Amino acid sequence: NAGVTQTPKFQVLKTGQSMTLQCAQDMNHNSMYWYRQDPGMGLRLIYYSASEGTTDKGEVPNGYNVSRLNKREFSLRLESAAPSQTSVYFCASSDPSQGAKNIQYFGAGTRLSVL
Amino acid sequence: SQQGEEDPQALSIQEGENATMNCSYKTSINNLQWYRQNSGRGLVHLILIRSNEREKHSGRLRVTLDTSKKSSSLLITASRAADTASYFCATDGNDYKLSFGAGTTVTVRA
Repeated sequence: NAGVTQTPKFQVLKTGQSMTLQCAQDMNHNSMYWYRQDPGMGLRLIYYSASEGTTDKGEVPNGYNVSRLNKREFSLRLESAAPSQTSVYFCASSDPSQGAKNIQYFGAGTRLSVL
Repeated sequence: SQQGEEDPQALSIQEGENATMNCSYKTSINNLQWYRQNSGRGLVHLILIRSNEREKHSGRLRVTLDTSKKSSSLLITASRAADTASYFCATDGNDYKLSFGAGTTVTVRA
């Protein structure tokens, strides 16, 4: 049981380049999330998808787009990368309908540097 | 903005000692959760306490919740080197989202 799988694990971009971070979960969860983690700031929500076919902005959505491709996959796209987007990105999934709990399961992260 | 704030930011203890960290939050919650993050890894869920509960135990973990003070504490008893990690509280307002604090970094010295 792989849980939440993120690719790639590491990436270096030049300013202005674009890329897509991939995330897949095999737990049949309805909800999926993208966070960024910066030193001393905990996790900040970028976008989330409460269920297949829906996406919503989180706390820091500017500069990002997402696609909920199907129930398993939720991708995050940087159209024109900026140095301020240097961070560690985490994908998570959950099934809030299970006993009204929103326990989230995280991938291992993507470490992105924008030069 | 982040809902939860942990205190202290960092904690260094001797193996076998207890570690206590606190979390304060601002708005009403459905439940509060604690997660652990080992260096270079993703977060792992530890324990959840509902808004109508005051205390919960899981192995060496004890969590308390005081909704009147909007605060929670996590106690790790008889710490081990493997407990070295960052610990985050997360509040659930029942809107599909969790709000995470900045975390407490715990170092357990052998």
